[in-house]
Amino acid sequence: EPEVTQTPSHQVTQMGQEVILRCVPISNHLYFYWYRQILGQKVEFLVSFYNNEISEKSEIFDDRFSVERPDGSNFTLKIRSTKLEDSAMYFCASSETAPATNEKLFFGSGTQLSVL
Amino acid sequence: QKEVEQDPGPLSVPEGAIVSLNCTYSNSAFQYFMWYRQYSRKGPELLMYTYSSGNKEDGRFTAQVDKSSKYISLFIRDSQPSDSATYLCAMSISSGSARQLTFGSGTQLTVLP
Repeated sequence: EPEVTQTPSHQVTQMGQEVILRCVPISNHLYFYWYRQILGQKVEFLVSFYNNEISEKSEIFDDRFSVERPDGSNFTLKIRSTKLEDSAMYFCASSETAPATNEKLFFGSGTQLSVL
Repeated sequence: QKEVEQDPGPLSVPEGAIVSLNCTYSNSAFQYFMWYRQYSRKGPELLMYTYSSGNKEDGRFTAQVDKSSKYISLFIRDSQPSDSATYLCAMSISSGSARQLTFGSGTQLTVLP
């Protein structure tokens, strides 16, 4: 079964540094998302992306965050000037169709980001 | 009051038991209801999806929605050790342009052989 692939599985960085989290969505999917889950807390929506632009973003997705689809396969999340509170598991997801009703989101296994 | 509340457990049951997992919500605008299963160190995996009140069955799983009470449930029949995972309820409002799932905090389930 096709799957969403995320790299790296773990990322450790110093506070204030920049990190890039990488995702390869399922090949025929057109809609891409980032979610995060702080340890012991809920999965939270960050951003959705379609047709090379952000569709929606949450309050968490401030101006330190950016997303990009640099080529036909990768989807990246960049966090500049990382803060301790950015430490979380970051999940990439993709879907084939427009998010309206019963389309299925496929999640990757996540990247555990630790900001020291 | 949190938008979505879910009993975190942990819940431990013997193999073969019927499991009941529940969520309540406060926002009556939620129209679409999902249950995700999340194994350790993995991303959430969609198990059940429904948008109407009533029951929806898929194999050993039954999703139940009561919009009047703002309450949803997931029942697992004949539970198996492989069902051991964290179960997340999730809900969405049809926004028309993007999916913003609101997740519950998850219930950790262990099925003992």
